[in-house]
Amino acid sequence: DQQVKQNSPSLSVQEGRISILNCDYTNSMFDYFLWYKKYPAEGPTFLISISSIKDKNEDGRFTVFLNKSAKHLSLHIVPSQPGDSAVYFCAASALGNTGKLIFGQGTTLQVKP
Amino acid sequence: NAGVTQTPKFRVLKTGQSMTLLCAQDMNHEYMYWYRQDPGMGLRLIHYSVGEGTTAKGEVPDGYNVSRLKKQNFLLGLESAAPSQTSVYFCASRQSTYEQYFGPGTRLTVT
Repeated sequence: DQQVKQNSPSLSVQEGRISILNCDYTNSMFDYFLWYKKYPAEGPTFLISISSIKDKNEDGRFTVFLNKSAKHLSLHIVPSQPGDSAVYFCAASALGNTGKLIFGQGTTLQVKP
Repeated sequence: NAGVTQTPKFRVLKTGQSMTLLCAQDMNHEYMYWYRQDPGMGLRLIHYSVGEGTTAKGEVPDGYNVSRLKKQNFLLGLESAAPSQTSVYFCASRQSTYEQYFGPGTRLTVT
């Protein structure tokens, strides 16, 4: 069973516009959510995170929204830049000291100049 | 400060051969993780360690073994490689926060 789902394999947006990447989860025990960005032939790099006690976290052009009742989170990138073209993974973690992350399948974002 | 490094970067194995992937981190992190990434499936946890001398199974541990003899190193072993283990392998580490820091990956092909 896929506890974290990214239902859109790909997304294409024009430079300067908003990119919205979505993620759904099924496990109500998840208490922390993260977004990672991955370029080809590189490891994932941490982008932004949000605790389950918040509904929004902002860092520059990146904002993550969490809707606990819908078990849904989204990553907004405004404005989108060609350098943002990458694969984006959402991940979730449950309470406990192991810090295991459950990843979604990833969404490939293409930002066109 | 190299962060997380992985050796080797690429490897081709024949079915039945064995190999060890090495992960090293210089951030003095307690926790280390091994993931595999396959197309359309995201990253899946193979094994992890919560400290030197400890290991535990993740989501997809079958066919793999691990060891954490030193705090800075986490080894992933394949005793008898199978084509189903063709994948990209990532190592990660973390300290007290949830954020994990990833290595550049090892691309393994089993023929």
